[in-house]
Order: sequence, then structure tokens, then C-alpha cells
Amino acid sequence: GQQLNQSPQSMFIQEGEDVSMNCTSSSIFNTWLWYKQDPGEGPVLLIALYKAGELTSNGRLTAQFGITRKDSFLNISASIPSDVGIYFCAGFRFLIQGAQKLVFGQGTRLTINP
Amino acid sequence: DAGVTQSPTHLIKTRGQQVTLRCSPISGHKSVSWYQQVLGQGPQFIFQYYEKEERGRGNFPDRFSARQFPNYSSELNVNALLLGDSALYLCASSTRLPSTDTQYFGPGTRLTVL
Repeated sequence: GQQLNQSPQSMFIQEGEDVSMNCTSSSIFNTWLWYKQDPGEGPVLLIALYKAGELTSNGRLTAQFGITRKDSFLNISASIPSDVGIYFCAGFRFLIQGAQKLVFGQGTRLTINP
Repeated sequence: DAGVTQSPTHLIKTRGQQVTLRCSPISGHKSVSWYQQVLGQGPQFIFQYYEKEERGRGNFPDRFSARQFPNYSSELNVNALLLGDSALYLCASSTRLPSTDTQYFGPGTRLTVL
């Protein structure tokens, strides 16, 4: 089952507002990723975080890797209509034989009222 | 450069049937992972292949199997389909293992089991 708790589950905002969502885990992850998924599409990578405490920006998006390595947040500033979609946090979990899998949160559905 | 490609886009099957889904990774990527995404949830890890060998397996029954070919493309097979197998099946590719390189997703195959 899911090991990452993402909140909020959904957001309804006005265009131009800032957005904040976060992700927490009961266990440590060494890499945090944020993806966006549009209807009928696969997830698209937005930001990757590799160090505890790291703060990374990608245009209007800013994400931080928590100091404890058990949480991360994503902020979107000055939202626009194309920001609509579902945002997922994900952490890398290393398996035996060097394999790795992504563990995903439940997603945050963002709806923007024009 | 082409991204990850998957075929078919959509598929409708009945219970008890078998299905084969196909994936071509990004050129130069040697690892392919498969995920199942049930409506309203984040993707769940099924398999990871690297250099034609299975390197990781998620918590899925033996009805699920996969393989990777010399050109690094991959097939996911599901036997004895159940209604609960209805989902978006995502393929993701990455450069190599072990690695913290991110995984890039294809658009997915929407499987409906009636």
C-alpha cells in the first residue's frame, strides 16, 4: 500500500493564488520527486530533490526536501489555468540487486477557478 | 528525442482473458519499470528490469509477468484477468542501475476489464 501521505487531497483556488501541498512519510527517503499528471497522460517530472534541507525551484514551482528526510513540500506561485492537474510526491526506495522503485503519495488534485 | 512510448493506448478485455502491454524506453535507457495506477490513487510498482533481467518485483500476484528484450523494450503480461486489474498501466525508463537517475513515464495503457 501507499507509504507517503500527501495533503491536501484536493484544492480549489482562484487563478493567481499561491498553492502549497506537502508529503510525509513514516520512513526516510534519500530522494524526493514531484510529478504532475494530466488526464490520460503519464506523470511528468517537475522537481527532483537529492539532499536533506535542499530547496529547489523550477520557474514558479519551489520544492523542499525536509531536514528529517521524512517530508517534502511543493509550492506553486501565481497559479495559472495550465497548473490544473494532479500532483504526486514520490520517493525512491532501493531494493536488492540495485533495483529501485518509486513510492507515490495519493496525489493532490488542483482545480483553478478563472 | 522520442520519450517513452506505450501500446496500445486503450484496451478492453473480459474476465479470464490474457493481455500483453508493450513499452519502448527512451533511446539510451536500459532500465524499464512497470507501475499500475488505479483510478484515484498514485502508481504502484510492479516490476523493474535492467539488462533483460528482473531486478525488482512489487506485491503483485504471479498472474503478472514481464520481460525485457535485447533492444531494451519490454512487455507486461497479465493472465486470468480480474475486474480489479482495470487500471492505467505505466511504463517508466531510466538510464541504468544502480542509480538515482529519475524515471521518465510513458502515457500509459488504459486497461478495462469487463
